[in-house]
Amino acid sequence: SQTIHQWPATLVQPVGSPLSLECTVEGTSNPNLYWYRQAAGRGLQLLFYSVGIGQISSEVPQNLSASRPQDRQFILSSKKLLLSDSGFYLCAWSVMENTDTQYFGPGTRLTVL
Amino acid sequence: QQPVQSPQAVILREGEDAVINCSSSKALYSVHWYRQKHGEAPVFLMILLKGGEQMRHEKISASFNEKKQQSSLYLTASQLSYSGTYFCGTIGSNFGNEKLTFGTGTRLTIIP
Repeated sequence: SQTIHQWPATLVQPVGSPLSLECTVEGTSNPNLYWYRQAAGRGLQLLFYSVGIGQISSEVPQNLSASRPQDRQFILSSKKLLLSDSGFYLCAWSVMENTDTQYFGPGTRLTVL
Repeated sequence: QQPVQSPQAVILREGEDAVINCSSSKALYSVHWYRQKHGEAPVFLMILLKGGEQMRHEKISASFNEKKQQSSLYLTASQLSYSGTYFCGTIGSNFGNEKLTFGTGTRLTIIP
């Protein structure tokens, strides 16, 4: 069966510090991978998605970036965090088919102070 | 465009029924329903496909009206475990170039 991992689970960072969040998927090959951000009490904002190694599409221009160095690894990064980057970051995967049903990882709660 | 969900929030007593609606401004290929409990990740409940049948997950069922570009989630005899925020996600008919787009969510609170 497929499983998705994210770490760290929680993170408190000062403004201006760098960020690296990691997501890995097990039990499937060549998945679509997604990064979402959810502000407190709000909906899901798609940040990036990837259909393959090295292929990244950005949905919202901001100070975040994403990379996919391996088939089942997706990384979200920032060089300098802003207060507005606080939120719940979710990684998701889907198989490469039209229904695009996505399955979410446990998430990383980021607080920028 | 983001699908619109209604109501935004609902409070039920255990055992009562509820309906959550999801409307889109464009023709849809599929509708996905997720439930997110506080502090946790969204969990996939079910998918409804164009031309498909009504789906069910435990005592939760959903329908998809393709002509109206709407889906409804029916929660019957609600249980405390149903509490959470429900999101619909939609994929347009031009699915080759579409990504799952999530609605704004409906917060459901079940009280004993």
